[in-house]
Amino acid sequence: DAGVIQSPRHEVTEMGQEVTLRCKPISGHNSLFWYRQTMMRGLELLIYFNNNVPIDDSGMPEDRFSAKMPNASFSTLKIQPSEPRDSAVYFCASSKSWGGELFFGEGSRLTVL
Amino acid sequence: EDKVVQSPLSLVVHEGDTVTLNCSYEVTNFRSLLWYKQEKKAPTFLFMLTSSGIEKKSGRLSSILDKKELFSILNITATQTGDSAIYLCAVEAGNNAGNMLTFGGGTRLMVKP
Repeated sequence: DAGVIQSPRHEVTEMGQEVTLRCKPISGHNSLFWYRQTMMRGLELLIYFNNNVPIDDSGMPEDRFSAKMPNASFSTLKIQPSEPRDSAVYFCASSKSWGGELFFGEGSRLTVL
Repeated sequence: EDKVVQSPLSLVVHEGDTVTLNCSYEVTNFRSLLWYKQEKKAPTFLFMLTSSGIEKKSGRLSSILDKKELFSILNITATQTGDSAIYLCAVEAGNNAGNMLTFGGGTRLMVKP
């Protein structure tokens, strides 16, 4: 299996620009998670989908962040407009429904200037 | 609010030393505790613990959970430079509506030759 696939791997953008991060979960996995990792705050859960439905988005920092999962094999995390404090590594992870083991993608490193 | 705390924050040892990493938690509806190793990229799964007192072992790594005292330890014996990484503890908690992982801040381990 190819594992969880994220793109882009690196993104450098200017404040105010829209950023879209993409994720393809492992085939057959029903749960998808978006995490953000920074030195200051560690790994934080942003949003969690189960069977393509958002279950908990309480970790989404503010309205500038939105996430969608239009089908079982694709999800996006969008930041509009981006700010320098959004600079972080964004991880997508997937798991079988109620199983605890997460499989992480390689991450998307975002730098907002 | 669910909370996972790891200690120490960082650790520097020499090859051959034994290290013990700690993870304590306060969560509602505990389901499992997981350990991950993060080198340069995505976290990779090490162990999942659900029952108290049962040691999980993989080579030089072992882990045990105490559900009464709400903590887990990860032991690494005969450390090698390849063990240098951030070790993340995560707790899965939730109810029938969904399970989520809450991560600790991680312990950064550096093993010197």
